[in-house]
Amino acid sequence: KQEVTQIPAALSVPEGENLVLNCSFTDSAIYNLQWFRQDPGKGLTSLLLIQSSQREQTSGRLNASLDKSSGRSTLYIAASQPGDSATYLCAVRLGGGGNKLTFGTGTQLKVEL
Amino acid sequence: AAGVIQSPRHLIKEKRETATLKCYPIPRHDTVYWYQQGPGQDPQFLISFYEKMQSDKGSIPDRFSAQQFSDYHSELNMSSLELGDSALYFCASSWGGGNTIYFGEGSWLTVV
Repeated sequence: KQEVTQIPAALSVPEGENLVLNCSFTDSAIYNLQWFRQDPGKGLTSLLLIQSSQREQTSGRLNASLDKSSGRSTLYIAASQPGDSATYLCAVRLGGGGNKLTFGTGTQLKVEL
Repeated sequence: AAGVIQSPRHLIKEKRETATLKCYPIPRHDTVYWYQQGPGQDPQFLISFYEKMQSDKGSIPDRFSAQQFSDYHSELNMSSLELGDSALYFCASSWGGGNTIYFGEGSWLTVV
């Protein structure tokens, strides 16, 4: 059974700091990995999708890397802003044709002025 | 750009009642997913459909059923509601199963 863990569970940083969120998964036979952000009581906003054959994806101030063999992904946020405050979730999709996303426990980020 | 539309956004039901949630995927997306997110928990996969056929099944209770219609919208039917069914229910869609999955804003269900 795929298990996805995110560290840290919560993080508070001053504005402007660069930060790294970690995601680890137990079954490396993944199809892809997706990073989301979720604001309180809101839906999930897709940030980045990394296919299993890729090592990283970038979008603006966000960069996500994937090391499938070690079961790890990181989300790098550059020059953090108060608007980045949210819960960040990683989700993996296993290979083998299934559609299920298994979500991590999330990292609650607060960027302070 | 059009997003995944869910309705209703909020509903309150009593125990043992029935609730129906609707989902309208992004146009031309052929895969629809349903997830349940309890308070303080991560989303749990319930069920998915590809081209109107059930494609994968997760931890969906037998009291729940879902289908995807000819216009690609989907409905999640929940019967004999229990207090523990109170959660945020997400619908999501994608074009093909391996591409980015886009989530709706969710439907809040409160069972009292």
